[in-house]
Amino acid sequence: GAVVSQHPSWVICKSGTSVKIECRSLDFQATTMFWYRQFPKQSLMLMATSNEGSKATYEQGVEKDKFLINHASLTLSTLTVTSAHPEDSSFYICSARGRVYEQYFGPGTRLTVT
Amino acid sequence: RKEVEQDPGPFNVPEGATVAFNCTYSNSASQSFFWYRQDCRKEPKLLMSVYSSGNEDGRFTAQLNRASQYISLLIRDSKLSDSATYLCVSDSGNTPLVFGKGTRLSVIA
Repeated sequence: GAVVSQHPSWVICKSGTSVKIECRSLDFQATTMFWYRQFPKQSLMLMATSNEGSKATYEQGVEKDKFLINHASLTLSTLTVTSAHPEDSSFYICSARGRVYEQYFGPGTRLTVT
Repeated sequence: RKEVEQDPGPFNVPEGATVAFNCTYSNSASQSFFWYRQDCRKEPKLLMSVYSSGNEDGRFTAQLNRASQYISLLIRDSKLSDSATYLCVSDSGNTPLVFGKGTRLSVIA
């Protein structure tokens, strides 16, 4: 299947700092990328949908000023968690969809805010 | 009512058993369906796509019943490595995929 990479795979940061997570589709052009968050033993929660070259669409309850998404090219989307707090600690997963409707996930980024 | 509903389990089955998961969806506009598998602390991985009435891939068979709006996943000859959470997913085309909460499977030696 298609390959989606995510970087970093894990990060520990101090409260109040910002963290940027990159998501890349390695062997296909992703017209749409999605960002999810998953807390332990809970299901995936969609945070936002981004299409290349346009503003992201955020799900209800997700602060767009806190979770900045940039989808600058067909192979790269970034999520920046600004002014991170301990409650932002979670598993952040991106996924990418190409021309076919199948969606592939990156390996995830485990964020711990101390 | 949630759009995609699954029995959360857990399903505890012995090695070699056959196990089936059902999933119901409420959006009749859903066009395609998928089964993903997610291991603990890992990302979901696409297991099977279900575009028409169903398909088979080795020990795995997925079936779709549009009239009743349910999808099933059958796993034959269960292996220890099949232990995971299985996510049922529907796709309406231009909207994000809708995930069920998943069904946990534990295959026991």
